[in-house]
Amino acid sequence: DQQVKQNSPSLSVQEGRISILNCDYTNSMFDYFLWYKKYPAEGPTFLISISSIKDKNEDGRFTVFLNKSAKHLSLHIVPSQPGDSAVYFCAASSTTSGTYKYIFGTGTRLKVLA
Amino acid sequence: DTAVSQTPKYLVTQMGNDKSIKCEQNLGHDTMYWYKQDSKKFLKIMFSYNNKELIINETVPNRFSPKSPDKAHLNLHINSLELGDSAVYFCASSAGTSGVGEYFGPGTRLTVT
Repeated sequence: DQQVKQNSPSLSVQEGRISILNCDYTNSMFDYFLWYKKYPAEGPTFLISISSIKDKNEDGRFTVFLNKSAKHLSLHIVPSQPGDSAVYFCAASSTTSGTYKYIFGTGTRLKVLA
Repeated sequence: DTAVSQTPKYLVTQMGNDKSIKCEQNLGHDTMYWYKQDSKKFLKIMFSYNNKELIINETVPNRFSPKSPDKAHLNLHINSLELGDSAVYFCASSAGTSGVGEYFGPGTRLTVT
């Protein structure tokens, strides 16, 4: 049972345009969400997070939106740059569980075309 | 300075062997994890230790045994390796529920032949 889903395995975007990566979850107990970026042969790198008490969090070119009723979050990158080409994972956890456990999606490969 | 390091980076071994992967973090974090990324790129948690105490133990064969000699280290020992154990194994650490996510190591690609 995959509780965190990234239904688009890949996405191509022109440099300078907006990249939108989507993530859906099924467990209503999840209240903390993160996005990671992963380059080949490297471990995932934390990018941005959002708590369920917010619906938006922004950090530079990266914005994460959370729609709790739809159990959906998205990562917006604007403007997209070639260096953003990587695999992006969303992850979710229930902070009330106290187990520090994150469930990851399968990732979306973003390719930013110069 | 490397925050989370793993050794070895690549490991090729035969079925039935026993192998270990080592992980060290110099971030002062109190929680460490092992994740497995399978051929479908699904990143799944295996174990988590908080202050050397096992707090997450997912449905993993008991051939896998984590060991945390201290807060900065979490090693993974695998007995009687099987073909299906071939994957990339990531170690990670976090400052508990600090909310800034986990720091991952570079991964260890294990190939069982």
